[in-house]
Amino acid sequence: DSGVTQTPKHLITATGQRVTLRCSPRSGDLSVYWYQQSLDQGLQFLIQYYNGEERAKGNILERFSAQQFPDLHSELNLSSLELGDSALYFCASSLTGDSGNTIYFGEGSWLTVV
Amino acid sequence: AQSVTQPDIHITVSEGASLELRCNYSYGATPYLFWYVQSPGQGLQLLLKYFSGDTLVQGIKGFEAEFKRSQSSFNLRKPSVHWSDAAEYFCAVGVTTDSWGKLQFGAGTQVVVTP
Repeated sequence: DSGVTQTPKHLITATGQRVTLRCSPRSGDLSVYWYQQSLDQGLQFLIQYYNGEERAKGNILERFSAQQFPDLHSELNLSSLELGDSALYFCASSLTGDSGNTIYFGEGSWLTVV
Repeated sequence: AQSVTQPDIHITVSEGASLELRCNYSYGATPYLFWYVQSPGQGLQLLLKYFSGDTLVQGIKGFEAEFKRSQSSFNLRKPSVHWSDAAEYFCAVGVTTDSWGKLQFGAGTQVVVTP
């Protein structure tokens, strides 16, 4: 158990809908990351937050947004969902978010868009 | 931009045999290097990491990896594989010059263990 908690574990929704994925980082970690794992793209970095502020952005679509709240939990919002958004979405956390920190991953949220 | 290559998509190994998974990276400086394992239906678990110092790194579950700067490689090894080692293994690179610690992952190597 990495200490990173993600909900829901599984989610099935229809195209055009909006979903919210939630993540609680490890106790004491200030930085949260979101990654997407799909069959065709592999593991891709989406976005990183540190203590409530966005710090790094990767291949995140404009239809996706995220935030980190004062209690350090984070949410990833996916809107206008398309079939291609079906993937495993990982949340991860690290102590300060600096390069060289060990990053711990949750078990992921499986999203299926039908 | 940095890149990570895992040349082997799929490896089959007999239980008790040794295992070596290859990872090559492309980056202008020495990056931070990681190996993660993903068991079926599970998240990513950190096996080991290299930041600096001794180029032979010991990890959990009996795994080790060796950083070779001249070959830009960070290969993962295990002397004797157990059936529970069947999983997908990912090599990842962290950028040392970047202030923020996002990782770039290889495509993964699927390991199948046969009796």
